[in-house]
Amino acid sequence: ETGVTQTPRHLVMGMTNKKSLKCEQHLGHNAMYWYKQSAKKPLELMFVYNFKEQTENNSVPSRFSPECPNSSHLFLHLHTLQPEDSALYLCASSHERGGSYEQYFGPGTRLTVT
Amino acid sequence: QKEVEQDPGPLSVPEGAIVSLNCTYSNSAFQYFMWYRQYSRKGPELLMYTYSSGNKEDGRFTAQVDKSSKYISLFIRDSQPSDSATYLCAMSAGTNAGKSTFGDGTTLTVKP
Repeated sequence: ETGVTQTPRHLVMGMTNKKSLKCEQHLGHNAMYWYKQSAKKPLELMFVYNFKEQTENNSVPSRFSPECPNSSHLFLHLHTLQPEDSALYLCASSHERGGSYEQYFGPGTRLTVT
Repeated sequence: QKEVEQDPGPLSVPEGAIVSLNCTYSNSAFQYFMWYRQYSRKGPELLMYTYSSGNKEDGRFTAQVDKSSKYISLFIRDSQPSDSATYLCAMSAGTNAGKSTFGDGTTLTVKP
């Protein structure tokens, strides 16, 4: 295991539901990320948090709302999603102090929006 | 045009074959080059990284970077069924991991 856990692993939700994805890292890292992975597309970076502060939001629709209460936990709150939001959502972490290009990924949450 | 183009695959080879996975890129500022391996139902894991041009070897894996041609490759020698996975190339201009640009991935199947 990589030291990054994600729950749930699978999620099916209707377009009117509200749900949250959870990520936890046990590596002592200080940066955490949310990515979206769709079939035959490159990984899409959604949000970046450094030391609990959001440093990047790549034009993600407001129906995705991240929360980072501390350096070890990251949430992605979902509401009124669309079918095209169905994808694998990956959480990653890295150690940004001193620079690190190495990211450690969790196993992902497979999200299906019906 | 995408900043990073990866050979689309899928690729199917017999066990023991030499595999070549390739990416090209357009951003000359990229200096860090990574290869991630992603097994089915798992997240990507960093396999190898290279800084600037040159080769790097780790067991059966060799990463090669040619900055003059903006071309990187990952070679797998004596491929095994356990190498069956999707391979993602990624590149970064600096050491900020969040700035990495990923390729689409190439799915490799090694048949016993």
